[in-house]
Amino acid sequence: LAKTTQPISMDSYEGQEVNITCSHNNIATNDYITWYQQFPSQGPRFIIQGYKTKVTNEVASLFIPADRKSSTLSLPRVSLSDTAVYYCLVGAFDTGGGNKLTFGTGTQLKVEL
Amino acid sequence: GAVVSQHPSWVICKSGTSVKIECRSLDFQATTMFWYRQFPKQSLMLMATSNEGSKATYEQGVEKDKFLINHASLTLSTLTVTSAHPEDSSFYICSATVVGQGSNQPQHFGDGTRLSIL
Repeated sequence: LAKTTQPISMDSYEGQEVNITCSHNNIATNDYITWYQQFPSQGPRFIIQGYKTKVTNEVASLFIPADRKSSTLSLPRVSLSDTAVYYCLVGAFDTGGGNKLTFGTGTQLKVEL
Repeated sequence: GAVVSQHPSWVICKSGTSVKIECRSLDFQATTMFWYRQFPKQSLMLMATSNEGSKATYEQGVEKDKFLINHASLTLSTLTVTSAHPEDSSFYICSATVVGQGSNQPQHFGDGTRLSIL
């Protein structure tokens, strides 16, 4: 299983760009990288997913270098409501319906005024 | 789209009671559902993987006789905590996804069930 490492916490201010990096040195060829956001007492919410290079959607960008041993979630202009725990998930599903999934330790992002 | 509903959201019961938690995919058919457990200020820990129509696959250290999982249809999986004790108190979260469509489909999570055993 690909083990992931993230910073435990980060602080930012409203309007700033926030970049959270996840290390996954033993990522496998079939593994995808997925980021989730979790608020207290709620289930994680899907943010973005990628395999290589760069992926962008309406809320975030995901940068993955060529060796895929790390990834960076970029939140362009954070607001107070972005205060949450962000998880990096590395894994894949085999065709037999099995799973190889690992949640990272999570990064607590705190956004202040 | 991709909504997963989990019920109940909170349950408090006496030690020795069995508790059933339901996980439903409301607008898609889930080939695979997962059950996680989360302690305060910790990450999610995968308990088991549930495929429709087959027995669940449990992670190492998870007692299959303690945590009974049933996945009878493509939209419903249940987790039953049998003879619950205070140490079973936790936040239980399910997720659902579709496997085998050629690309990795993300997991979609329910909002969790807070289980408190007195």
